[in-house]
Amino acid sequence: NAGVTQTPKFQVLKTGQSMTLQCAQDMNHEYMSWYRQDPGMGLRLIHYSVGAGITDQGEVPNGYNVSRSTTEDFPLRLLSAAPSQTSVYFCASRRLAGGLSNTGELFFGEGSRLTVL
Amino acid sequence: GEDVEQSLFLSVREGDSSVINCTYTDSSSTYLYWYKQEPGAGLQLLTYIFSNMDMKQDQRLTVLLNKKDKHLSLRIADTQTGDSAIYFCAEKGRPGTYKYIFGTGTRLKVLA
Repeated sequence: NAGVTQTPKFQVLKTGQSMTLQCAQDMNHEYMSWYRQDPGMGLRLIHYSVGAGITDQGEVPNGYNVSRSTTEDFPLRLLSAAPSQTSVYFCASRRLAGGLSNTGELFFGEGSRLTVL
Repeated sequence: GEDVEQSLFLSVREGDSSVINCTYTDSSSTYLYWYKQEPGAGLQLLTYIFSNMDMKQDQRLTVLLNKKDKHLSLRIADTQTGDSAIYFCAEKGRPGTYKYIFGTGTRLKVLA
């Protein structure tokens, strides 16, 4: 199993450009999510999904779009990049089934470092 | 509102014990977690504790939970240089809640 795979690992954009961060998992996890990590602010949830066709907003959704057409993939789209979106982005997934025996552990990708000039 | 707070830095000498503290606000949290992030990598679960427990021990790791004060701590015994990393405290709310709240992370530096 590869786990959670994110691409690209590094990206530099100019203000106003668009791009998509890719996330794929091979663990058949129902739940997938995107976080951004900024110094002194920890991880903040951008968007999440509990299954194909279902997405919802997190704490900081503005400027980002997501879709979930398959169980495996959960891309994050920046429609018009801004310098405030310079950050490290993490995709995370988890299994939802299992009841009380499910500890809710999140599995993270290695991150995508985005710089917007 | 929901918030999880941690101190930003901790420095210890190799062989000493490290104690990383966290305070949280959601008393309905079912699980509380400690994640470890090594340089240039994603977060990995280090350990967790269920909300009806006071303590959990796992080899060199001891987690203490004080629900009255909403305080969580992680003690690493015999700290090694390989323990140098950022440690995140996180809480997960009641069943059916899909959001996790992460702390700011504590950067642990272990001096040889």
